[in-house]
Amino acid sequence: DSGVTQTPKHLITATGQRVTLRCSPRSGDLSVYWYQQSLDQGLQFLIQYYNGEERAKGNILERFSAQQFPDLHSELNLSSLELGDSALYFCASSRGSEEQYFGPGTRLTVT
Amino acid sequence: GENVEQHPSTLSVQEGDSAVIKCTYSDSASNYFPWYKQELGKRPQLIIDIRSNVGEKKDQRIAVTLNKTAKHFSLHITETQPEDSAVYFCAASIGSNYQLIWGAGTKLIIKP
Repeated sequence: DSGVTQTPKHLITATGQRVTLRCSPRSGDLSVYWYQQSLDQGLQFLIQYYNGEERAKGNILERFSAQQFPDLHSELNLSSLELGDSALYFCASSRGSEEQYFGPGTRLTVT
Repeated sequence: GENVEQHPSTLSVQEGDSAVIKCTYSDSASNYFPWYKQELGKRPQLIIDIRSNVGEKKDQRIAVTLNKTAKHFSLHITETQPEDSAVYFCAASIGSNYQLIWGAGTKLIIKP
């Protein structure tokens, strides 16, 4: 157990819908990273937050947005969902260094 | 842009043999190189990492070597066991925001 939690574990929704994925970092970690992993694919970096502020952006679609709250938990919002958005979404956290610890992931299925 | 190339994409070895996975990075400012193991349906887990001031690091059956001049680093697993079967990802630090750039992954298959 890495200490990073993500909810929900599984999410099934229809095309066009909007969902919110939640991540709680390890105690004391200020950075949160979001990744997308499609079936049998690598880790696609989406976005990073540090202490509430956006720090880096990767290949994040305009339909996706994220934020980090004062208690340091983070949410990833996915809207106008398409079939191709079906994937595992991981968040990771770090304590001001590059060592990232991953949560268990949320498996999103868009039907 | 910056990238990390990882080879091979699939590696099949006999149980008990050694496995080597190689990565090449492009950003000469990279100074942190972790390796993650991801079992099917599970989270990626950090198994070993190395910083640029060190050439080699070992932890039991796994080791990582770094050649900064050539900009490549490798993961070595000795005496492979069935539980080593997984996808392994390398990564390299970029920029000043503790961001990592990731390799595409290597599927390691241990044959009994």
